[in-house]
Amino acid sequence: DQQVKQNSPSLSVQEGRISILNCDYTNSMFDYFLWYKKYPAEGPTFLISISSIKDKNEDGRFTVFLNKSAKHLSLHIVPSQPGDSAVYFCAARKSDYKLSFGAGTTVTVRA
Amino acid sequence: NAGVTQTPKFRVLKTGQSMTLLCAQDMNHEYMYWYRQDPGMGLRLIHYSVGEGTTAKGEVPDGYNVSRLKKQNFLLGLESAAPSQTSVYFCASSSGGTGVQPQHFGDGTRLSIL
Repeated sequence: DQQVKQNSPSLSVQEGRISILNCDYTNSMFDYFLWYKKYPAEGPTFLISISSIKDKNEDGRFTVFLNKSAKHLSLHIVPSQPGDSAVYFCAARKSDYKLSFGAGTTVTVRA
Repeated sequence: NAGVTQTPKFRVLKTGQSMTLLCAQDMNHEYMYWYRQDPGMGLRLIHYSVGEGTTAKGEVPDGYNVSRLKKQNFLLGLESAAPSQTSVYFCASSSGGTGVQPQHFGDGTRLSIL
C-alpha cells in the first residue's frame, strides 16, 4: 500500500513563476515530511522538511505547507529557476527513521 | 567530503549470477539503508541497519541479503540475480537522535540483469 502519493508526474513552469508540488499521505503516524530533489545520474539530495506539529516551513525560495486534517502537503518554489528542473520526491518519516517515498514529480522550468 | 559512496556505478549481470554492491559513508552515521528505484514507483526500502552488526528487512527484501560488519560500510548482495532485479539501487545513511535527521544518498548503482 502506497502511503505517500504524488499524483502529478510532471510540472512545467515558466522561469520566474511559482512552482507548486503536491503530496498526499495516508498514515497519521508520520512525524516528519521531507522533500528531496534529484538530478539525472545523481542521488536524491535533501531540500527541506517540516515537522508534523508545524504548518509551514520556509528556506529561501522554498516553502513547505502542511495540512494535517487533509493529510496533504505542498512545496512552493518562488521564483522558479532553470536549475530547479529536476525530479522532486516527497517523503514521510515515522519515529523508526524509515522513509516512505512518493513516485516523484518531474519539474521543467522553461526560459 | 565524500559523503556516501556506492561501488560500482554500473553493472550488467546474467540471470543466476551473484554480486555484491558496496556502500561506504564517512559521516559516522548509525543508520544505513538500501533502496531500489523503478520507473513510476519512487524509492522502495530493501533492507536497513540501525547500527554495526544489525540488519532488518524493509518493504521489498526478497532476493537480497545485507551485512553491516563495519559501521561505515553496508553491503547489499544478490545471490541469484533475476531480471526483476533490474533497477537503480541507492544507499543512504543518517544519524539517529532527535530532529529530522535527513538521509544522505549516494549516486546510485545502475544494475541490469539479462
